[in-house]
Amino acid sequence: DGGITQSPKYLFRKEGQNVTLSCEQNLNHDAMYWYRQDPGQGLRLIYYSQIVNDFQKGDIAEGYSVSREKKESFPLTVTSAQKNPTAFYLCASSIGRLASRGETQYFGPGTRLLVL
Amino acid sequence: KNEVEQSPQNLTAQEGEFITINCSYSVGISALHWLQQHPGGGIVSLFMLSSGKKKHGRLIATINIQEKHSSLHITASHPRDSAVYICAVSSYGGSQGNLIFGKGTKLSVKP
Repeated sequence: DGGITQSPKYLFRKEGQNVTLSCEQNLNHDAMYWYRQDPGQGLRLIYYSQIVNDFQKGDIAEGYSVSREKKESFPLTVTSAQKNPTAFYLCASSIGRLASRGETQYFGPGTRLLVL
Repeated sequence: KNEVEQSPQNLTAQEGEFITINCSYSVGISALHWLQQHPGGGIVSLFMLSSGKKKHGRLIATINIQEKHSSLHITASHPRDSAVYICAVSSYGGSQGNLIFGKGTKLSVKP
């Protein structure tokens, strides 16, 4: 079955620790995205990638980093510089490279990050 | 002011009722999306539309480009429809036109 997987489902971070959230897709999509969801707020874009070895900052990139070494994979690292990391993180992908064309995005099941 | 506004924020209905969720936006768009988020957190795309009306089963989505408004209707609602419904737009500006999301409408359908 084609789809997007995220792991782990729950992740706990200690103070000063970097943690990495996994996102893998087997849909052969060019574009991938990372969103953060906080209670009572709409999803906010952290980073996006339109092609392998290229990625762009979204609206709230500070304290996060990404890589796109393979088409299928777009891991997100939450660094110690992110002072309020507790949130629900969603990865998504779409076929084409330009979201402005209005293409459907397919979402993973999400990772809930909690700070100890 | 948010670029995408949804109403109501919360909605409780009895099984069988006709439900309407509204979305207004203030930016130029190439498409509007309706998404469904289940209690576990996963999100599925219900509709993408740029004009007119689309129907899938008991769900109907309409958009009025001139008025910058969209509605999602659920006919004969059922408890399994309980979820958060999110409106999002693909805009011409911003981060390469990535999606701008509303805050969501939490729907609870009682049996």
